[in-house]
Amino acid sequence: DTGVSQDPRHKITKRGQNVTFRCDPISEHNRLYWYRQTLGQGPEFLTYFQNEAQLEKSRLLSDRFSAERPKGSFSTLEIQRTEQGDSAMYLCASSPKGLAEETQYFGPGTRLLVL
Amino acid sequence: QKEVEQNSGPLSVPEGAIASLNCTYSDRGSQSFFWYRQYSGKSPELIMSIYSNGDKEDGRFTAQLNKASQYVSLLIRDSQPSDSATYLCAVRVWGNFGNEKLTFGTGTRLTIIP
Repeated sequence: DTGVSQDPRHKITKRGQNVTFRCDPISEHNRLYWYRQTLGQGPEFLTYFQNEAQLEKSRLLSDRFSAERPKGSFSTLEIQRTEQGDSAMYLCASSPKGLAEETQYFGPGTRLLVL
Repeated sequence: QKEVEQNSGPLSVPEGAIASLNCTYSDRGSQSFFWYRQYSGKSPELIMSIYSNGDKEDGRFTAQLNKASQYVSLLIRDSQPSDSATYLCAVRVWGNFGNEKLTFGTGTRLTIIP
């Protein structure tokens, strides 16, 4: 499978715990994006990387959230001290170049439930 | 005003008919427009992209863009039950770093009635 992969696919945690999600983009895609989607809403942008550089962070991304892409390949998204409001689907997407015509390809998502 | 607006639906269309989905956007700097399909519990899947005014056809799907009216639409001809899903309109503005984020509408839930 050469698409975007995410791990885990589902995560249930208790309030206050830390969680970490991983995203592996399509090979040689240098742009990687994280989005969050809650029920009944469209995906909302969180952050994105060009290679290992984090170029933009949404105001939605509180200081409890941190994302990394250390070698410009896979990325991790960590949520510290989880809250019930963090329950959502976390989507990763990648795209090959910074051209207007390039689209973003989404992974299957990680569904987080905070109890 | 939301940046990207869609009717949330549900929109019910008989099998074989044409489904029409609409989207408006507020940022006149928007340059790229996308329609994604999302089945319940799944991630978004790209259906169509359009970058210039006019129509773009791909199989049963036609995207229409009118930048002057800040309006983009998706037509699905010969609707099939498998087309039942939520359709997300997404817009991208070309920014300083190049390939910028997508801004999504809330989606329109489409149901095809056999």
